[in-house]
Amino acid sequence: AQKVTQAQTEISVVEKEDVTLDCVYETRDTTYYLFWYKQPPSGELVFLIRRNSFDEQNEISGRYSWNFQKSTSSFNFTITASQVVDSAVYFCALSGADQTGANNLFFGTGTRLTVIP
Amino acid sequence: GAGVSQSPRYKVAKRGQDVALRCDPISGHVSLFWYQQALGQGPEFLTYFQNEAQLDKSGLPSDRFFAERPEGSVSTLKIQRTQQEDSAVYLCASSLHRGPSYEQYFGPGTRLTVT
Repeated sequence: AQKVTQAQTEISVVEKEDVTLDCVYETRDTTYYLFWYKQPPSGELVFLIRRNSFDEQNEISGRYSWNFQKSTSSFNFTITASQVVDSAVYFCALSGADQTGANNLFFGTGTRLTVIP
Repeated sequence: GAGVSQSPRYKVAKRGQDVALRCDPISGHVSLFWYQQALGQGPEFLTYFQNEAQLDKSGLPSDRFFAERPEGSVSTLKIQRTQQEDSAVYLCASSLHRGPSYEQYFGPGTRLTVT
């Protein structure tokens, strides 16, 4: 069974602070994919990043960085020098190997980030 | 280019009414997904189409829920005899190819309120 846990329900930071959003996952698949999505107040989920289970190389994209560690089943997301526009709900999601044909995403419950100006 | 669009954006239905929610995926996208998002929760999978074929409907909560994608593009999610527990945001997503590695692009959702 696939499961994604985002233990942090809500986080508030002051603008320009760094913030890390935690994600822990469970899967029996040897090949799987991890995703982060952002859901601003408008409601539309915005794709941020995808990682393969066989590629543990961390990634940096502008102010965003991701730390994938298979040993701890974690895929954490860090925003450096946070901005008010970063305020949103962030979802971590997991997609398993092609078994049922659906390849649907399993989402965590989300972390609501509020950046205070 | 145009993203995934959904209509209506908001729908209020009286308990027992039937509703139909529409999704226009990104042109050329093979895979189409429907998700249900309750307040304060992450989206939960309902059903999946590959072109016009409904390959997985394991997430549909009851036989009152029905989805179709007859020509492999636009999809409709229909809920018959709506109940209060059906109140949620219904999200549609499309993906260029079939397979778990491809990112899904989401529409803005339809917020359904059953009174």
